Amino acid sequence: DAGVIQSPRHEVTEMGQEVTLRCKPISGHNSLFWYRQTMMRGLELLIYFNNNVPIDDSGMPEDRFSAKMPNASFSTLKIQPSEPRDSAVYFCASSPPLRLAGEGGELFFGEGSRLTVL
Amino acid sequence: GEDVEQSLFLSVREGDSSVINCTYTDSSSTYLYWYKQEPGAGLQLLTYIFSNMDMKQDQRLTVLLNKKDKHLSLRIADTQTGDSAIYFCVLALSSGSARQLTFGSGTQLTVLP
Repeated sequence: DAGVIQSPRHEVTEMGQEVTLRCKPISGHNSLFWYRQTMMRGLELLIYFNNNVPIDDSGMPEDRFSAKMPNASFSTLKIQPSEPRDSAVYFCASSPPLRLAGEGGELFFGEGSRLTVL
Repeated sequence: GEDVEQSLFLSVREGDSSVINCTYTDSSSTYLYWYKQEPGAGLQLLTYIFSNMDMKQDQRLTVLLNKKDKHLSLRIADTQTGDSAIYFCVLALSSGSARQLTFGSGTQLTVLP
């Protein structure tokens, strides 16, 4: 199993540029999450998809952020235009379907995309 | 909402035991997890405990849950340099769904030789 695959691993860009981060979840997982990690704010949930449908995007900072999941094996997180305060490590995670009531909670994380906006 | 508190840093000598503590506010959590994040990597599930348990042991790891005090701890016996990482206390609400996880701020464990 390849695990959750994210790209790029590192991105350095200038303020105002568009940034697209990509994620391939583990095959068979039906939930996908985008998190942002910074020293100041820790780990923040940005958006959550279930069966390719966005369920909760209340963590998305503002309209500059958008996320899509066109199919079960691919998701993107886009920032347009980017700002220096968007600098962070962005994690994608996936989880399998719940088999039993009350089961769950294990997330499988990718290695993250470290974004630096100058 | 749920509030999960952890101390930010812990240093121990190699071979000693490490104890990482976590306190929380919402008693409806059903699952309580410890995730580990090694440098430059994503988080990995280390162990978990159901809310109806007091203790769980898994090799060098011991998880203790005190529901009355809303306190969770992770003890690592015979700590090794490879245990140096950030450890996150994570709580799941009653549904147990991954979408309802609340993460603590993480405790940076440094193991000194």
